[in-house]
Amino acid sequence: GQQVMQIPQYQHVQEGEDFTTYCNSSTTLSNIQWYKQRPGGHPVFLIQLVKSGEVKKQKRLTFQFGEAKKNSSLHITATQTTDVGTYFCAGPKSGYSTLTFGKGTMLLVSP
Amino acid sequence: GAVVSQHPSWVICKSGTSVKIECRSLDFQATTMFWYRQFPKQSLMLMATSNEGSKATYEQGVEKDKFLINHASLTLSTLTVTSAHPEDSSFYICSARDLTDNNQPQHFGDGTRLSIL
Repeated sequence: GQQVMQIPQYQHVQEGEDFTTYCNSSTTLSNIQWYKQRPGGHPVFLIQLVKSGEVKKQKRLTFQFGEAKKNSSLHITATQTTDVGTYFCAGPKSGYSTLTFGKGTMLLVSP
Repeated sequence: GAVVSQHPSWVICKSGTSVKIECRSLDFQATTMFWYRQFPKQSLMLMATSNEGSKATYEQGVEKDKFLINHASLTLSTLTVTSAHPEDSSFYICSARDLTDNNQPQHFGDGTRLSIL
């Protein structure tokens, strides 16, 4: 079945350092979505990428969708303590309305 | 934007108790809602897809008699954990998407932390 893999599982950075998480799908995706879950909270939608090679920015966050629409990345420039949380990528499960989530990357930022 | 409300936020109860969790879409109609389970420091695992007016679709390994799902209206789905035991303790989250708009993402409820003593 469809698998969505995400690396790294965990990253600890100093405030001001950059951070990147990578997402790879075993199948071609119609779109990819990114969510952020703060400790103790629920996943919150960040962005959706649809087009091959698409790049979108949200302030210090840059999202990319691969040309083959099977991989994606999230890059945070100059991390802040407010960036702490787990970042999940998710792709539509083929033929279904639900999503397959990656295992997430937990980001810890030290001041 | 679309909002999904989940209630209760926390439940602590004795082993053998049945617990009902509600998930409501507040400003859109959701013919389909999703129920996830999340263990500490792990990803979201889809348990079942709740379909308005019909039976839920359960993922492999999820006991349908243990986790009863009812989707009686276009804005409400409920998950009942029957005769809960300590191993059922987890974070349960529902989500819904406005299926009339393919560009809409899934919106998650706040989740329910279930602790069975």
